[in-house]
Amino acid sequence: DAKTTQPTSMDCAEGRAANLPCNHSTISGNEYVYWYRQIHSQGPQYIIHGLKNNETNEMASLIITEDRKSSTLILPHATLRDTAVYYCIVRDLQGAQKLVFGQGTRLTINP
Amino acid sequence: GAVVSQHPSWVICKSGTSVKIECRSLDFQATTMFWYRQFPKQSLMLMATSNEGSKATYEQGVEKDKFLINHASLTLSTLTVTSAHPEDSSFYICSVLGPNTEAFFGQGTRLTVV
Repeated sequence: DAKTTQPTSMDCAEGRAANLPCNHSTISGNEYVYWYRQIHSQGPQYIIHGLKNNETNEMASLIITEDRKSSTLILPHATLRDTAVYYCIVRDLQGAQKLVFGQGTRLTINP
Repeated sequence: GAVVSQHPSWVICKSGTSVKIECRSLDFQATTMFWYRQFPKQSLMLMATSNEGSKATYEQGVEKDKFLINHASLTLSTLTVTSAHPEDSSFYICSVLGPNTEAFFGQGTRLTVV
């Protein structure tokens, strides 16, 4: 079962920062927070992941709260091509390392 | 460039026939691959974990005799949907576990059973 809760949908204006929240209140100490996105009819694309520190790469920033019970993915300057379903996934890197997807957030970037 | 190649990207087959989907790891050897299924407007559902040289591990509720997985080499895993029925029509996606625990996904295969 997915261990995360995300809003079903969000809208954001083009050029603005898109902030996508995720709750993972039952996360354990060994589990990482991963973000993927899926553009219609394609395979998911990796965005970013983190354990407890904030992370940034060329695509996005990941802010994890100190208690690790929630996180926020930030797309700093959203473009129309960022319209997709965004999945927040809690993943244990021990054992099977499988990715279990929840329902995700459908992000729509509006012109 | 693509890390995972999945083939075919779409296939139409007759009810009762079997369909094989291939997933290739292009950049590295992959001991572990995953197979997912996605119905319209739903999330990805993990079907099984494919382990090179051993039997696949199926998720609860997934029929192992219907969805045959073969991971005979470190770069190739196949999913065969046997005796396909219209309810098996779906988007099938494979994922390859990379050397740094990243998971790379194929572009998916849209199966339509008529």
